[in-house]
Amino acid sequence: DTEVTQTPKHLVMGMTNKKSLKCEQHMGHRAMYWYKQKAKKPPELMFVYSYEKLSINESVPSRFSPECPNSSLLNLHLHALQPEDSALYLCASSQGHLSVEKLFFGSGTQLSVL
Amino acid sequence: EDKVVQSPLSLVVHEGDTVTLNCSYEVTNFRSLLWYKQEKKAPTFLFMLTSSGIEKKSGRLSSILDKKELFSILNITATQTGDSAVYLCAVEALKAGNMLTFGGGTRLMVKP
Repeated sequence: DTEVTQTPKHLVMGMTNKKSLKCEQHMGHRAMYWYKQKAKKPPELMFVYSYEKLSINESVPSRFSPECPNSSLLNLHLHALQPEDSALYLCASSQGHLSVEKLFFGSGTQLSVL
Repeated sequence: EDKVVQSPLSLVVHEGDTVTLNCSYEVTNFRSLLWYKQEKKAPTFLFMLTSSGIEKKSGRLSSILDKKELFSILNITATQTGDSAVYLCAVEALKAGNMLTFGGGTRLMVKP
């Protein structure tokens, strides 16, 4: 299994809603990532988890709250988002955290905030 | 600040043509350069380059890195419509974490 699975694929939410994005991998990878990608722009790193601990938070607003319940799962909790948060949210994983590794990306969740 | 610049921004070719995509970078403590293909959603890994002058090849795709001039190229020969995608270059730098800096991508369209 060389897949990173993200759910849901699409999400529409209002600014007062609370929702969660989910990501799962069963490759034994110990580093997991959240990226945000606006249309026609490259992915931007949001968070890095290494061995289930948050190691990097790229100055992301607190309305985005990551959670890593175990080594296979990564969640992104959303609350009080703004329309400009509408984007493709990509989860990725890699074998290690500090070594030279390639990332495996999920298919993303296309988020629209109304 | 680390910077990765890709050119051209977009490219339209016909099937059978050969294309060269460029990626130049300025990063502190370079570790590796990676190429990804993004068709609809998930970027898929193509190559990882760490050493200068060693060509990596996979079918019709090949890539090479020049660490002196700080750039990489991705070649696609005998292009097919299925090669239409955004090609992303990313550079990994030795920092507190496995962080990639992505370039803006090259949007390739291959017409029949």
